[in-house]
Amino acid sequence: QSVLTQPPSVSAAPGQKVTISCSGSSSNIGNNYVSWYQQLPGTAPKLLIYDNNKRPSGIPDRFSGSKSGTSATLGITGLQTGDEADYYCGTWDSSLSAHVVFGGGTKLTVL
Amino acid sequence: QVQLQQWGAGLLKPSETLSLTCAVYGGSFSGYYWSWIRQPPGKGLEWIGEINHSGSTNYNPSLKSRVTISVDTSKNQFSLKLSSVTAADTAVYYCARVYFGVVKGPGYYYYYYMDVWGKGTTVTVSS
Repeated sequence: QSVLTQPPSVSAAPGQKVTISCSGSSSNIGNNYVSWYQQLPGTAPKLLIYDNNKRPSGIPDRFSGSKSGTSATLGITGLQTGDEADYYCGTWDSSLSAHVVFGGGTKLTVL
Repeated sequence: QVQLQQWGAGLLKPSETLSLTCAVYGGSFSGYYWSWIRQPPGKGLEWIGEINHSGSTNYNPSLKSRVTISVDTSKNQFSLKLSSVTAADTAVYYCARVYFGVVKGPGYYYYYYMDVWGKGTTVTVSS
């Protein structure tokens, strides 16, 4: 059971928009910055979003991030078949046992 | 361009100690934290722990009793040891570069993200 909650799967057609939610608590998302990672099949995760809504160099602006309260959202517009992947949210958890927590991952299918 | 190259034993027997090393090429070693993350087959990511160039560590509470992360600044390398492994430790293990810090506002807000990853090492624990 992951500390952060993500939907197991989402799907949409090419060219459409999709959002992936990530729900946590005040000890993690509520008071810390969120990052998002894309994991294509058989590869290492890749940083997509950091500090809630910033994109590393080379990440297209089709990818966006937002945060409200204890939830965060990854948005992907103009879906492409190459976007089919697993997506993970992550953040620092400031509880007594401070550590990094991830969501369980969301499988994106581009129909 | 920073690259991480990792290596270590891929097949272990129960009760043995997992040992992996990650070398950093093409960038600064100091000024960052360096972490280990694992992914069991078909499952999500699990953070194992981290270390900085000074040797300061943080560990996942669920693994803390069995984990040691160390650093060799002379070689720009950091290593993971996980003792008393069981089948539940079977996973792909990744090393990664970390941006980790705190922003002071009304409270303290931590940022933590991994921007460069190794390719992963598959570790199987089986008798």
